[in-house]
Amino acid sequence: GAGVSQTPSNKVTEKGKYVELRCDPISGHTALYWYRQSLGQGPEFLIYFQGTGAADDSGLPNDRFFAVRPEGSVSTLKIQRTERGDSAVYLCASSPGQGRNIQYFGAGTRLSVL
Amino acid sequence: GDSVTQMEGPVTLSEEAFLTINCTYTATGYPSLFWYVQYPGEGLQLLLKATKADDKGSNKGFEATYRKETTSFHLEKGSVQVSDSAVYFCALIGSGTGGFKTIFGAGTRLFVKA
Repeated sequence: GAGVSQTPSNKVTEKGKYVELRCDPISGHTALYWYRQSLGQGPEFLIYFQGTGAADDSGLPNDRFFAVRPEGSVSTLKIQRTERGDSAVYLCASSPGQGRNIQYFGAGTRLSVL
Repeated sequence: GDSVTQMEGPVTLSEEAFLTINCTYTATGYPSLFWYVQYPGEGLQLLLKATKADDKGSNKGFEATYRKETTSFHLEKGSVQVSDSAVYFCALIGSGTGGFKTIFGAGTRLFVKA
């Protein structure tokens, strides 16, 4: 595709429910990143994939958060037992490889936990 | 750890005014520096970048110079337009072992009045 695609664009859920957020990176990009942007803040790093493996998941806030990238392309961020504090915009980015390459961002998924 | 500090907003200017948004950083070694822009309802877009000391990044009339001695990367534009109204994020990618995650400032909202 032309850019990083994230679905859904908006997700409303109830406290305690499970959600999945999808990211489709730019074709050929081996590196994929997830960030979380709370209202009025800059994005904060969650997890980084190089290929299929999570090279760094140090930004995941707790074990309710998990992400996969089984075929080295599409990634899914999974949140269990959602809490109101999880409400934020979840951003995905991809880049051509590891190192300090420019990261291209998707439009994000706005998650609202009621 | 690495960090970015940028001036708080909102910044309100009249059309054709001069813009400066201050950004300073803390990082070991030689990070790459970026400015991203987020227009209302849209995703993050890279505005400009600089990868080494004294480099000047420029795009769409915006400029920023990588100042190692003052650890700064201030964003400037000589004559703003209403269409420049957006949130601007200063960011870095470090040169250390974490040299893949983008560290963002909190963002500065710019309003330009006609």
